[in-house]
Amino acid sequence: EVQLVESGGGLVKPGGSLRLSCAASGFTFSSYSMNWVRQAPGKGLEWVSSISSSSSYIYYADSVKGRFTISRDNAKNSLYLQMNSLRAEDTAVYYCARGVVGNRRIDYWGQGTLVTVSS
Amino acid sequence: DIQMTQSPSSLSASVGDRVTITCQASQDISNYLNWYQQKPGKAPKLLIYDASNLETGVPSRFSGSGSGTDFTFTISSLQPEDIATYYCQQYDNPALTFGGGTKVEIK
Repeated sequence: EVQLVESGGGLVKPGGSLRLSCAASGFTFSSYSMNWVRQAPGKGLEWVSSISSSSSYIYYADSVKGRFTISRDNAKNSLYLQMNSLRAEDTAVYYCARGVVGNRRIDYWGQGTLVTVSS
Repeated sequence: DIQMTQSPSSLSASVGDRVTITCQASQDISNYLNWYQQKPGKAPKLLIYDASNLETGVPSRFSGSGSGTDFTFTISSLQPEDIATYYCQQYDNPALTFGGGTKVEIK
């Protein structure tokens, strides 16, 4: 059974940093692209970042470019999102999600971890 | 960037009704259009991929159609467990772009 379990969310002040983690199990993690997708309270889904299976290709939404860094450790079956210079508008539930077919769609999502940026 | 316009933003229908949601892309995206269901407090779930293909295990009352710029998602007979928000999503290499969502409620 595919499982994606996020951790690391919490309350942080504007300008602060946070590192999210996603532990993957039930599939060959090193064979899949992975994504972070977020959802602000009461709002829709927003793609944040993606990373290819071997970390060769990394992409970011314009809203987080230069502040967030995605990475993965295939030996540990883990995905990460380092978030710096956090803003109030980064407040959201952050989902770890597996991409398939050239990352054209997401077939599995984690349960999400809430990040709140507030003073 | 390709924009996705999803409508309506919300709808109310009775159990057994046919429900239709549309998604329009700002340019031709062939059939690279997926539909997700998100129940309150839960992660999204893939229902339809490549415009019209039913994901394994998804009930057959869900269907999708369309190509190019205009796409439709249909629930043939609305059930109480279908209460959720539905999102379309397209692949705008390398980004994944989601529609604004349609909240489906029971009348």
